[in-house]
Amino acid sequence: RKEVEQDPGPFNVPEGATVAFNCTYSNSASQSFFWYRQDCRKEPKLLMSVYSSGNEDGRFTAQLNRASQYISLLIRDSKLSDSATYLCVVKTGANNLFFGTGTRLTVIP
Amino acid sequence: GAGVSQTPSNKVTEKGKYVELRCDPISGHTALYWYRQSLGQGPEFLIYFQGTGAADDSGLPNDRFFAVRPEGSVSTLKIQRTERGDSAVYLCASSLTPDQETQYFGPGTRLLVL
Repeated sequence: RKEVEQDPGPFNVPEGATVAFNCTYSNSASQSFFWYRQDCRKEPKLLMSVYSSGNEDGRFTAQLNRASQYISLLIRDSKLSDSATYLCVVKTGANNLFFGTGTRLTVIP
Repeated sequence: GAGVSQTPSNKVTEKGKYVELRCDPISGHTALYWYRQSLGQGPEFLIYFQGTGAADDSGLPNDRFFAVRPEGSVSTLKIQRTERGDSAVYLCASSLTPDQETQYFGPGTRLLVL
């Protein structure tokens, strides 16, 4: 079983829509959780960390459910510039990160 | 300031050849990581350095892969007897310390083995 699983999409949404991505992780000892954004043929960049209490950064809201081992990302009022692949990332004990396959989002004018 | 840099940006080689991929981390970052990203997949961990030593090399797929960081700064990932299945984007990341959770990624080296 993969460490991190997420729906690869693609998600095609109109501008202004709200879209949600989910992922699950397999190791209950996982300690830290993140969403990274990766544009086509570019490197991954940290979008936001995910905290147990949930956290918000502008139009982006991240949630963590430790009991269900489930992480979510909500994007409100989607912009064309939000089009990218969103990677769910988990850090478990050691220093390396475990990445999901990524969910591809395309925001359509 | 300068981010993580990687050279070459693209590398085409023939099956069986040897390749070296270079990573120059952010100045002062003690932790350095190598990942491999195949098409349609997320990055997969290969090896992690703390200073000059490889603290975790559990992600290296086999003994054809080796990495060094002799002076605790620049790192080189070495692949011997390349195979077509080694074709991927090789990403390097660094963080200020191992405990710092934010890893900053370089642009990657796209390796194509013909």
